Amino acid sequence: DGGITQSPKYLFRKEGQNVTLSCEQNLNHDAMYWYRQDPGQGLRLIYYSQIVNDFQKGDIAEGYSVSREKKESFPLTVTSAQKNPTAFYLCASSPRWFANTGELFFGEGSRLTVL
Amino acid sequence: GQQVMQIPQYQHVQEGEDFTTYCNSSTTLSNIQWYKQRPGGHPVFLIQLVKSGEVKKQKRLTFQFGEAKKNSSLHITATQTTDVGTYFCPQNQAGTALIFGKGTTLSVSS
Repeated sequence: DGGITQSPKYLFRKEGQNVTLSCEQNLNHDAMYWYRQDPGQGLRLIYYSQIVNDFQKGDIAEGYSVSREKKESFPLTVTSAQKNPTAFYLCASSPRWFANTGELFFGEGSRLTVL
Repeated sequence: GQQVMQIPQYQHVQEGEDFTTYCNSSTTLSNIQWYKQRPGGHPVFLIQLVKSGEVKKQKRLTFQFGEAKKNSSLHITATQTTDVGTYFCPQNQAGTALIFGKGTTLSVSS
């Protein structure tokens, strides 16, 4: 079955610790994205990658880092510099990066709680 | 820059009532997409509209794209409890990824 897999689904972290959220897709999509969602809020763009070995900052990139060394993988690291990291993190992909005409396929999300 | 506003932010209906959410843009849109997110779930793509005046139906859901391509609506006929969730029409801005606002959160009581 093709799709996007995010892991872990739930994660607890102590303040001051970095944590990496995994996102893997087997859809052969070029573009991948990370969004953050807080309760009752919309999705805010953290980082996106149009193609392997390339990525750009979104609206709220501070305190986060990403890599795109493989087409199928786009891990997100939440660093200790992120002041309020407790949130629901959603990874998505789309077939191509062209004028945003492709639909986004989302993973099931990772819920991070900082204790 | 381009701004897409979605209204209402919240809507509560009795099961069987109709529901409509609207997206309005200050500029002409090349296309518009709609997504649904169930409580605790992830957004799922519903549809993309491209042509001026386009109307598409998916069972009880009717999607419209305005003649001027500046607004769009999603209408649900005879809501069911399975329609509960948040509906998004993300902003499609050149040079960046889709921008999701708060959407419209629909609750349905039986």
